[in-house]
Amino acid sequence: KNEVEQSPQNLTAQEGEFITINCSYSVGISALHWLQQHPGGGIVSLFMLSSGKKKHGRLIATINIQEKHSSLHITASHPRDSAVYICAVRRGSARQLTFGSGTQLTVLP
Amino acid sequence: DTGVSQDPRHKITKRGQNVTFRCDPISEHNRLYWYRQTLGQGPEFLTYFQNEAQLEKSRLLSDRFSAERPKGSFSTLEIQRTEQGDSAMYLCASSFEGLNTEAFFGQGTRLTVV
Repeated sequence: KNEVEQSPQNLTAQEGEFITINCSYSVGISALHWLQQHPGGGIVSLFMLSSGKKKHGRLIATINIQEKHSSLHITASHPRDSAVYICAVRRGSARQLTFGSGTQLTVLP
Repeated sequence: DTGVSQDPRHKITKRGQNVTFRCDPISEHNRLYWYRQTLGQGPEFLTYFQNEAQLEKSRLLSDRFSAERPKGSFSTLEIQRTEQGDSAMYLCASSFEGLNTEAFFGQGTRLTVV
């Protein structure tokens, strides 16, 4: 079993819909990251969380440390949000990230 | 500073050849990471440097792989005697020192071994 599991693997939405992507992890962590990857490979960091909730524009990320679960929400989705969204955790005192397999999001106009 | 840059962006090589990739991190960052990503999967950790010291290597990093970071600036990742299974996106990231610092990623080098 992977240490970081994401769901769903693929998600298609209509423009304007509210989107939720889930991430569960099975190890102790010091931080959880949400990242966005567009075709071509480049990865952009969206959020780094160790507790609670963060908001940036139409994006909201939450984490429940006790339940080892995080969610990424996108409000009023837009076709330009189409990308792969990846959850990654930093285990304990480790320096590197452990990644989930990503969620492919497609937002249709 | 334009962020983390990787060169080349794409590399096609024949099986058995050696290839070398370069990563230029953000200049103030003393940590540098290499990850490998295969199609449909998330990145997997290969190795990490703090300044010029290679502090950790994944078991994914076989004897055919070697990474260096001379002078603690740019880094190179060399794969010797490439195999088809080496085909992947190789990603470099850099960050400041500290437990929970943000990592900045390059665009990656996509390797295809034919």
